[in-house]
Amino acid sequence: DTAVSQTPKYLVTQMGNDKSIKCEQNLGHDTMYWYKQDSKKFLKIMFSYNNKELIINETVPNRFSPKSPDKAHLNLHINSLELGDSAVYFCASSQVWGGNEKLFFGSGTQLSVL
Amino acid sequence: KQEVTQIPAALSVPEGENLVLNCSFTDSAIYNLQWFRQDPGKGLTSLLLIQSSQREQTSGRLNASLDKSSGRSTLYIAASQPGDSATYLCAVGDDKIIFGKGTRLHILP
Repeated sequence: DTAVSQTPKYLVTQMGNDKSIKCEQNLGHDTMYWYKQDSKKFLKIMFSYNNKELIINETVPNRFSPKSPDKAHLNLHINSLELGDSAVYFCASSQVWGGNEKLFFGSGTQLSVL
Repeated sequence: KQEVTQIPAALSVPEGENLVLNCSFTDSAIYNLQWFRQDPGKGLTSLLLIQSSQREQTSGRLNASLDKSSGRSTLYIAASQPGDSATYLCAVGDDKIIFGKGTRLHILP
């Protein structure tokens, strides 16, 4: 079974649309993250949740709204999509919060905004 | 503000050679440093994690070292193979995990 799974793998949509990316981890981890990897392959943290509570919000536009219904799930909803949102979005998890734990990544969602 | 730099950005090496990838960071107050591998179109796979109190970690042909005081880490790959071709990223953990931009490694058969 995949440890961190995210869907969809590919997402192609028009500017202005609203879309969601789902993420689930079956590792029993307390902390989940969303990272954005831009066209230059630079990986930057967007959000971090620990036990369903928001810990990090890296000045991401409020069009991006993470939702954690339980600690095994962290979904990312994006409103009014813009061209600059095109990137690969990675979900990740770690056992505990604190920056000192091994990260486990999903396989990524490639978002293309046309 | 923590900054993580990886040099070189890309590297091509003949199969069988040993090689070293470099990572440097600006703030030495870190909990740990991790090395990841990313294959094209795939997610990241953690290779090695070095806690701040450790100097190195080894896994198979991989050896990662950490010198916190100088803000440096190296990933040593012995006897490189074509299957080692990937992008290697280092990430430092302080209050959050910060990634470098990676080194694209190509092992020539």
